[in-house]
Amino acid sequence: GQSLEQPSEVTAVEGAIVQINCTYQTSGFYGLSWYQQHDGGAPTFLSYNALDGLEETGRFSSFLSRSDSYGYLLLQELQMKDSASYFCAVRAGGGSGAGSYQLTFGKGTKLSVIP
Amino acid sequence: EAGVVQSPRYKIIEKKQPVAFWCNPISGHNTLYWYLQNLGQGPELLIRYENEEAVDDSQLPKDRFSAERLKGVDSTLKIQPAELGDSAVYLCASSPAPTTGEQFFGPGTRLTVL
Repeated sequence: GQSLEQPSEVTAVEGAIVQINCTYQTSGFYGLSWYQQHDGGAPTFLSYNALDGLEETGRFSSFLSRSDSYGYLLLQELQMKDSASYFCAVRAGGGSGAGSYQLTFGKGTKLSVIP
Repeated sequence: EAGVVQSPRYKIIEKKQPVAFWCNPISGHNTLYWYLQNLGQGPELLIRYENEEAVDDSQLPKDRFSAERLKGVDSTLKIQPAELGDSAVYLCASSPAPTTGEQFFGPGTRLTVL
């Protein structure tokens, strides 16, 4: 099976930079995704890393180190609307079977942006 | 492009009653997922469809849960009978193919079992 760890809560100031870490244990790793979910809303896709390195999309960046089983989401120039829960999710499986395409989500990090 | 549509948005039932959730995925998305999300937790996969075939239902409690995806488009998830512990948000998601880390989620159905 897969297991993921991420901080349960993070608080940061508007305009600042925040990093949300995710460590995972899995076999048959394919990639790491990040999702944002506002209270009462649907999870929304942010990024997907299949290879080592940094992917940048606007104010959000995501990093992956396969050798360390570690990734992070970096949010810059924080805005109040960034207050939400952020989930990392591993795409992993044991080969060509059905599990190869399963996303397993972490428990989420609740980000609070304060003025 | 229209997103994933789910109905109802909210449902309150008494335990032992049946309940059904409906999902219409994004047009052209062959892969459809049903997730369960408890408060303060991440989504947990219940079942994945490729077109009309359920290819991963290992985490679906088959004694009380069932699902179908007729004609490979809309899908229905049913619980019969519902138990108190089934209270959660049921999310439907779709993707154009299973080989992606990107899934498109619907707004979910919040189920309360009394």
